[in-house]
Amino acid sequence: EVQLVESGGGLVKPGGSLRLSCAASGLTFSKAWMSWVRQAPGKGLEWVGRIKTKTDGGTTDYAAPVKGRFTISRDDSKNRLYLQMNSLKTEDTAVYYCTTDQGDSSSNWFDPWGQGTLVTVSS
Amino acid sequence: SSELTQDPAVSVALGQTVRITCQGDSLRSSYASWYQQKPGQAPVLVIYAKNKRPSGIPDRFSGSSSGNTASLTITGAQAEDEADYYCNSRDSSGNPGVFGGGTKLTVL
Repeated sequence: EVQLVESGGGLVKPGGSLRLSCAASGLTFSKAWMSWVRQAPGKGLEWVGRIKTKTDGGTTDYAAPVKGRFTISRDDSKNRLYLQMNSLKTEDTAVYYCTTDQGDSSSNWFDPWGQGTLVTVSS
Repeated sequence: SSELTQDPAVSVALGQTVRITCQGDSLRSSYASWYQQKPGQAPVLVIYAKNKRPSGIPDRFSGSSSGNTASLTITGAQAEDEADYYCNSRDSSGNPGVFGGGTKLTVL
């Protein structure tokens, strides 16, 4: 069974930084594209960004609201995914989920998801 | 456009059939995936690749697509199906970056 466990959330002041981690088990992590998705309190889901496998170039893509502030990385030797968040804004307050990013020529899907970690940006 | 539009709320009588729709230009070139989210829980994939169900998802859940509209149909809705449902598809850059605003399903 694939399990994804996020950690590292907490309270941070505007302008501050935080690093989230996602521990993966039950899958060949090095072969998995991974994404972060967030959900602000009482709001819908918002894709944050993804990282491809090293075989596929290890490249990253980001949503416009976080581009230039957030960085996704991976450590395949530790089966871990990371989200480095800098210059945090109050609107970054959300539960952050990690998920495997799967797809074919005509569709993409996220499965499974971790339980999420809450990031609160407030003074 | 990179937006997906869903009705904010839909209700269905217990045991009846309900269709939840998702509209957007990206659906003309990419199939939607659908997620169920219950309060306080992480989303769960229920439909992907147009009409495939992950292991463990009841066969009362099905998906379809036509033009710029994707649909999630629950045939014989159960009380445990009451949840928020989100659609997702690729954006024009090929990123999986587009979620619908979500539909709150109430089972009466």
